[in-house]
Amino acid sequence: EAQVTQNPRYLITVTGKKLTVTCSQNMNHEYMSWYRQDPGLGLRQIYYSMNVEVTDKGDVPEGYKVSRKEKRNFPLILESPSPNQTSLYFCASSQGLGETQYFGPGTRLLVL
Amino acid sequence: LAKTTQPISMDSYEGQEVNITCSHNNIATNDYITWYQQFPSQGPRFIIQGYKTKVTNEVASLFIPADRKSSTLSLPRVSLSDTAVYYCLVGDFFSGSARQLTFGSGTQLTVLP
Repeated sequence: EAQVTQNPRYLITVTGKKLTVTCSQNMNHEYMSWYRQDPGLGLRQIYYSMNVEVTDKGDVPEGYKVSRKEKRNFPLILESPSPNQTSLYFCASSQGLGETQYFGPGTRLLVL
Repeated sequence: LAKTTQPISMDSYEGQEVNITCSHNNIATNDYITWYQQFPSQGPRFIIQGYKTKVTNEVASLFIPADRKSSTLSLPRVSLSDTAVYYCLVGDFFSGSARQLTFGSGTQLTVLP
C-alpha cells in the first residue's frame, strides 16, 4: 500500500531535549516536506526537499533541522525543543512539485 | 505564490451542492489552482487541480473564469462526511519556481443533517 508513515504519532517531551520525528514514504517520490499545523494558522511549511541531499527552508524553519540522505526518508529534528513548537506535524511527499501531495497521519507534539 | 482568500467557514445541509470560492487576484500566467481537503487530525488530501475553465473528477468540479482571478470548488450533494477544511493553493507548481506550498487557513465546511 502506497503510504507516508510518521513516528511517533504522539510525543510529550521537555524543553531542550533533542528529538527526531521520522518520515518515510514507499512511493519513490522525489519531493518531501514537513508542515506544522496550529489552530487558526492553517498549515505552514517548515522545510522541503526536492531530492536526496537537496533541502530548503519553508515558511517557518527556525528551530528545526532536516536531512535527506535517502530518497524514502525525511526526518525532522528539533535540536532544542521549546514550548512554542508544540504543534501537529505532517510529513508529505509527491512525485514532483506540482504533483499530488500525499500526507502522513501526523505527529502531535507537546513540549513542556 | 499568489495570495489566496477564502471564506473562513460555511454551513450546508445534506444533499445540497456546495460552492467554495477562492480569490487569487494576482495569479500569474503559469499558476495552477489546487484544492485539498482535510479532516480533523488527518493530513490534507488532494481533491482537484486546474488551470482554466472547468475540471471535473469523481469527487468535485473546479470552475475557473476567463480572468482566473478566482476559482470555485463545487461539491455535489454533500453528506455529513464532507465536513472538513478545504484549502485553495495557487502556484506555478510545475516549473520549480514555487518551491513553497502555502496552505493558508482554509474554509471550514460544516454539513448539517
